[in-house]
Amino acid sequence: AQSVTQLDSQVPVFEEAPVELRCNYSSSVSVYLFWYVQYPNQGLQLLLKYLSGSTLVKGINGFEAEFNKSQTSFHLRKPSVHISDTAEYFCAVSGNTGGFKTIFGAGTRLFVKA
Amino acid sequence: GAGVSQSPSNKVTEKGKDVELRCDPISGHTALYWYRQSLGQGLEFLIYFQGNSAPDKSGLPSDRFSAERTGGSVSTLTIQRTQQEDSAVYLCASSLGQGASAFFGQGTRLTVV
Repeated sequence: AQSVTQLDSQVPVFEEAPVELRCNYSSSVSVYLFWYVQYPNQGLQLLLKYLSGSTLVKGINGFEAEFNKSQTSFHLRKPSVHISDTAEYFCAVSGNTGGFKTIFGAGTRLFVKA
Repeated sequence: GAGVSQSPSNKVTEKGKDVELRCDPISGHTALYWYRQSLGQGLEFLIYFQGNSAPDKSGLPSDRFSAERTGGSVSTLTIQRTQQEDSAVYLCASSLGQGASAFFGQGTRLTVV
């Protein structure tokens, strides 16, 4: 079975500081990995995804994530955050069990302070 | 359609009543998902459709919950004899299938009083 663990439920950070949101997954098969973002009072939208190829994936708004197969991780990073990055971030995995359903982590609330 | 559409956007119902939530996926998307998001919680997987069939119903919390999808398009999630713990935002998402990103609707906020 697949599972996703987001190690931090909340991450407070000052504006212009770097941030890393951690995500670990478990799966017995090859997977696709995603990060989604949910801004306050808005729906979820895709930030970036890893399907194959280069393990460093760049997404919207300056975010990037690195797929590490040996550590089964897909951590999200941004070198300098803005107030507008305050949101809930969800890591997700999709693999060939149960027909490629997508399982989400519990979410990490990023709170950027001035 | 242009995006995933869910209706109603808000639903207040009395405990014990049945409710039906609707999802119109993006045209051509074969995969459809239902998730539940409770206050302060992550996304709880409920059910996944590939076409009209549901390969995985493992996330449905109880036999009061059921879902169907017809014509490979519209899906309805039905909750019978609603309980207060059913109060949550119910999100629908659709995708092109394997490896494709999911597009989410705005959700239905269900409040059981």
